[in-house]
Amino acid sequence: SAVISQKPSRDICQRGTSLTIQCQVDSQVTMMFWYRQQPGQSLTLIATANQGSEATYESGFVIDKFPISRPNLTFSTLTVSNMSPEDSSIYLCSVEVAAGYEQYFGPGTRLTVT
Amino acid sequence: AQTVTQSQPEMSVQEAETVTLSCTYDTSENNYYLFWYKQPPSRQMILVIRQEAYKQQNATENRFSVNFQKAAKSFSLKISDSQLGDTAMYFCAFMKQGSGTYKYIFGTGTRLKVLA
Repeated sequence: SAVISQKPSRDICQRGTSLTIQCQVDSQVTMMFWYRQQPGQSLTLIATANQGSEATYESGFVIDKFPISRPNLTFSTLTVSNMSPEDSSIYLCSVEVAAGYEQYFGPGTRLTVT
Repeated sequence: AQTVTQSQPEMSVQEAETVTLSCTYDTSENNYYLFWYKQPPSRQMILVIRQEAYKQQNATENRFSVNFQKAAKSFSLKISDSQLGDTAMYFCAFMKQGSGTYKYIFGTGTRLKVLA
């Protein structure tokens, strides 16, 4: 298993600004994922982040809007850039545990854009 | 492309009773994994149970078990002796084995409420 923390847990931001969300894992993992979840709804994958390579973005998500860093095997950041109210959501990171292909999720960052 | 369908947006069950949540998926793959995740209100998402498609035996974890019907592409979750702490959103997820991406495809979720 893996223990994952995220910072901040929540934030209220103004339109046009950027927020960087941090994801820290207590063990080394190869693959990390960033999701967006509207309250009460399903998860949408934003991108997959492997250490040492560029993040792979899903359709509808672009690097200019959601730049991701993955400097080492225990840490990643997701930046939500030039925010608009439509970006208000919960952002979750997860890690894949290779032995069973299970993903472990962080507690999420609740973002509100005003 | 793979899809995952959870046809029950909301369900309720009396404490100590049994409830079954349905999940169907569409894929042309033969090797894959299926998962059930639980997301309690305002809390972290956690893995409930996992099933490898190549295994015929249904997975069980204490009060949680699955009915995996590969030909029917069905993967239902049975919760026995329901407890108040089982109140949560439940998501079914599919992962194609061997893709190298380890991406999950999630269903839309079923909100389960356990009644006292």
